[in-house]
Amino acid sequence: GAGVSQSPSNKVTEKGKDVELRCDPISGHTALYWYRQSLGQGLEFLIYFQGNSAPDKSGLPSDRFSAERTGGSVSTLTIQRTQQEDSAVYLCASSVRTNEKLFFGSGTQLSVL
Amino acid sequence: GESVGLHLPTLSVQEGDNSIINCAYSNSASDYFIWYKQESGKGPQFIIDIRSNMDKRQGQRVTVLLNKTVKHLSLQIAATQPGDSAVYFCAERADSSYKLIFGSGTRLLVRP
Repeated sequence: GAGVSQSPSNKVTEKGKDVELRCDPISGHTALYWYRQSLGQGLEFLIYFQGNSAPDKSGLPSDRFSAERTGGSVSTLTIQRTQQEDSAVYLCASSVRTNEKLFFGSGTQLSVL
Repeated sequence: GESVGLHLPTLSVQEGDNSIINCAYSNSASDYFIWYKQESGKGPQFIIDIRSNMDKRQGQRVTVLLNKTVKHLSLQIAATQPGDSAVYFCAERADSSYKLIFGSGTRLLVRP
């Protein structure tokens, strides 16, 4: 597609449930990032994928968070046993390669009740 | 630790005036800076970037200024329009790093 695509755009879930968020990066982009944006805040780095290299998971806030990127393209961010503090907008971005500018998707608004 | 911050959380300007959004950074090793615009319900949109070997870069109606001496970055928007109303984020990246570190954002309100 022309841009980074994320789905769903909105997700409402109950505390304790698992959720999966999907990201389709721009075709040909080798680098993929997940960021989290809490209300009125800046963007918090979560995880980074580059090609076939091991991902940098240093930004994941807890072991309830995990992400994978299959075939060097689509990525899924999974949050297990969701908590209310997980409520935020989860943004995915891709770039042609490392150290190039990031192109962001519109994000998934996650609300944990 | 590293931090990127903004002086003004909200900036209100008259349509047609110029806007200046400021940003301070603390990591002297940062060598790449970027400005994003985020409208409500959308992801951040790239505006302009600058590398540390430059102190000024111009785009269409926007100019970014970098002062490495005082670790200050600014975004100037000429002839501000209602469509410029959004939250603006600065971000920095250190050499050999892939992480963009974002500030908390400045909201720009354009008065008609």
